Amino acid sequence: DAGITQSPRHKVTETGTPVTLRCHQTENHRYMYWYRQDPGHGLRLIHYSYGVKDTDKGEVSDGYSVSRSKTEDFLLTLESATSSQTSVYFCAISEVSSGGADTQYFGPGTRLTVL
Amino acid sequence: KNEVEQSPQNLTAQEGEFITINCSYSVGISALHWLQQHPGGGIVSLFMLSSGKKKHGRLIATINIQEKHSSLHITASHPRDSAVYICAAGGADGLTFGKGTHLIIQP
Repeated sequence: DAGITQSPRHKVTETGTPVTLRCHQTENHRYMYWYRQDPGHGLRLIHYSYGVKDTDKGEVSDGYSVSRSKTEDFLLTLESATSSQTSVYFCAISEVSSGGADTQYFGPGTRLTVL
Repeated sequence: KNEVEQSPQNLTAQEGEFITINCSYSVGISALHWLQQHPGGGIVSLFMLSSGKKKHGRLIATINIQEKHSSLHITASHPRDSAVYICAAGGADGLTFGKGTHLIIQP
């Protein structure tokens, strides 16, 4: 199994509070991703990173920010959590090949509830 | 924006049956991924393919680039194959996912 951990694994918070989720990898992969999974919508891309300090937005980036100061860590921050951000959050990593894509390995997920 | 459609959404079959799950996408891609998610949430990558066919044990994945279509087949299905199967299209800039196929294999 790829070495990916997410913390915390479960969190309950209140509307308006800031929340930071952490993804940590031991594989030294260049690419890291944050997805959210919701019933009826499936998995959707929030943000991704293609290197230290290099990030870009995904399909559902509003209300989220990310940072990557080290290869191994990718942080997702909800500046002011809302109930619509209640979801399961998955981190994934990938080492892109010359063909432009490679297998993505997923972390165990973080279940976030915003009351 | 790529659109990824999967069918069927739900599938119940008897042990031993041959299973087919279909996936179509709207925009040309670097690769098509098949993922498996068991109850409890962990997501495992089964296949990544950009052309032709791949086989791993009882699982076979095919892709037709011209028709923008992929299929996942399970031969000699078993109750432990019960899971949600998700196809996803994309490349280094992230994946677009289908909504998943909920497969139940009854003994």
